[in-house]
Amino acid sequence: GEDVEQSLFLSVREGDSSVINCTYTDSSSTYLYWYKQEPGAGLQLLTYIFSNMDMKQDQRLTVLLNKKDKHLSLRIADTQTGDSAIYFCAESQQTGANNLFFGTGTRLTVIP
Amino acid sequence: EAQVTQNPRYLITVTGKKLTVTCSQNMNHEYMSWYRQDPGLGLRQIYYSMNVEVTDKGDVPEGYKVSRKEKRNFPLILESPSPNQTSLYFCASSPQGLAGTYEQYFGPGTRLTVT
Repeated sequence: GEDVEQSLFLSVREGDSSVINCTYTDSSSTYLYWYKQEPGAGLQLLTYIFSNMDMKQDQRLTVLLNKKDKHLSLRIADTQTGDSAIYFCAESQQTGANNLFFGTGTRLTVIP
Repeated sequence: EAQVTQNPRYLITVTGKKLTVTCSQNMNHEYMSWYRQDPGLGLRQIYYSMNVEVTDKGDVPEGYKVSRKEKRNFPLILESPSPNQTSLYFCASSPQGLAGTYEQYFGPGTRLTVT
């Protein structure tokens, strides 16, 4: 299957910006997603970006896509302790596709 | 409230004892899927279903079965569980044929331990 890679851990201080990175191998990826998993809970969709976009901003979240390098990032501005969670990058090849391919997840720890 | 429910949330069992994890969604979604989550491996798809009576293998189907007799339910069956199936399992559902985000809605997870 497709490879989606993330670093496993990230620590930041409260109030700083967090940047979580993701690389993928499938050049036919159509949608790229960021999911958040809080302790003991399922995954919740945070945001997504279509492959013909370079950037998407939604309040404190900024998604950057470098399609040439197959690199996706999620920036969280003014990181809060409530942002501590595991963040998963995922990609799919087409609308209504049968599967999402998930990265390994990055555990973000926000230090007060 | 729109949701995906799974039962049980926690299960400890012994090798070879058949078990079923139930999944139900109340959003009339056509697409349902099962994932397992293991440390350092992210989520891997086990099986998925595009509609009633239509199921297909995902990336790691060995040792699992599923059925989709009704739209709302998608149980995961382990006929003869083994310790390597100890994992955290998630059920998810999604509207089928929706142009755009293809958001999946996840259940709360089932932590299974096979001894």
